[in-house]
Amino acid sequence: DTGVSQDPRHKITKRGQNVTFRCDPISEHNRLYWYRQTLGQGPEFLTYFQNEAQLEKSRLLSDRFSAERPKGSFSTLEIQRTEQGDSAMYLCASSLLGTGRGSTEAFFGQGTRLTVV
Amino acid sequence: GQQVMQIPQYQHVQEGEDFTTYCNSSTTLSNIQWYKQRPGGHPVFLIQLVKSGEVKKQKRLTFQFGEAKKNSSLHITATQTTDVGTYFCAGPIYNFNKFYFGSGTKLNVKP
Repeated sequence: DTGVSQDPRHKITKRGQNVTFRCDPISEHNRLYWYRQTLGQGPEFLTYFQNEAQLEKSRLLSDRFSAERPKGSFSTLEIQRTEQGDSAMYLCASSLLGTGRGSTEAFFGQGTRLTVV
Repeated sequence: GQQVMQIPQYQHVQEGEDFTTYCNSSTTLSNIQWYKQRPGGHPVFLIQLVKSGEVKKQKRLTFQFGEAKKNSSLHITATQTTDVGTYFCAGPIYNFNKFYFGSGTKLNVKP
């Protein structure tokens, strides 16, 4: 499978625990995005990388959230001291840097569904 | 808050009826993308519109980008049960590097 893969698919954790999610983008894609989606809503932008550089973070991303893309390939999203409000689907997407303004199409992974109990 | 608004939130149609969802932005968009998310699935890219007034067709789907590049629509002719899902528009706000998604229109098609 050459698409975007995310691991794990599901995660149940107790409030206060730390969790880490992994995303493996399409290999030649230089852009990687993290989004969060709650029921009935569209994906909310969290952060994005161009190669290994994290270029932008949403204000939705509190200090408890950190993302890395150490070698410009896979990425991890860590949430420390999880809260019930963190329960959501965390989606990763990758794309090629477009030749003109704006990115080309984004390919999404299946997501990691986080439940904080 | 949401920079890209979509209406309606839900639409229930009988198979064979047409369906339209509308997307409005508070700011001019350089381009707009449309995605479809099946129940339990992830968003899948459908199309990107770039030019003012652009119209693109994919079989029974027709996509339009407004002249002012602040609104867009997706029209499905003669819906089928395979069209069930949530349709999202997404546009770059403030810069070209991140896309804001609308809240989506959930389409249900009754056979």
